[in-house]
Amino acid sequence: AQSVTQLGSHVSVSEGALVLLRCNYSSSVPPYLFWYVQYPNQGLQLLLKYTSAATLVKGINGFEAEFKKSETSFHLTKPSAHMSDAAEYFCAVSDFDGNKLVFGAGTILRVKS
Amino acid sequence: DAGVIQSPRHEVTEMGQEVTLRCKPISGHDYLFWYRQTMMRGLELLIYFNNNVPIDDSGMPEDRFSAKMPNASFSTLKIQPSEPRDSAVYFCASSLGPYTQYFGPGTRLTVL
Repeated sequence: AQSVTQLGSHVSVSEGALVLLRCNYSSSVPPYLFWYVQYPNQGLQLLLKYTSAATLVKGINGFEAEFKKSETSFHLTKPSAHMSDAAEYFCAVSDFDGNKLVFGAGTILRVKS
Repeated sequence: DAGVIQSPRHEVTEMGQEVTLRCKPISGHDYLFWYRQTMMRGLELLIYFNNNVPIDDSGMPEDRFSAKMPNASFSTLKIQPSEPRDSAVYFCASSLGPYTQYFGPGTRLTVL
């Protein structure tokens, strides 16, 4: 069965600083991996996805993530944080069909001015 | 495009009452998903449909929960009878094929 661990339930960065949100996965089959963002009182929005193509995946709003099989990781990064990036971020893994998503517990990102 | 539409946005009910949550997926999408989000358990997939047919309902917590998709543009999630522990935000999502799910704004359910 697939599972996801997000290290750090809260991350705080200064505006303009690097954003790094950590995600490690467990999967018995080659995984599909996703990052979603949730703003307060809204649904989830897909930031980016890894579906076995390039290991470095670029998403919306300047975010990217790198799939590292040897480390079973899929960390999310952004070179320079913006106030509008403050939200909760979820990493998710799916098995072979890309449909049944298993989500991590989420990381709340705070951006300080 | 209107996106995924869910109604109601908020629902407050008393224990024992029947609750029906509604979802209209994005037109043309062939997959529909129901999720539940709580502080304790996070985001959980309850059930998903493909072309109106339930594919996996292993996440449905118990027999009090049921979901239907009578046509490609409408789905319901019903809880009967409701209990306080059912209080959560329920999300509907849809997709065209796998990988990219579009989420609705959610229904916040409070069972007193």
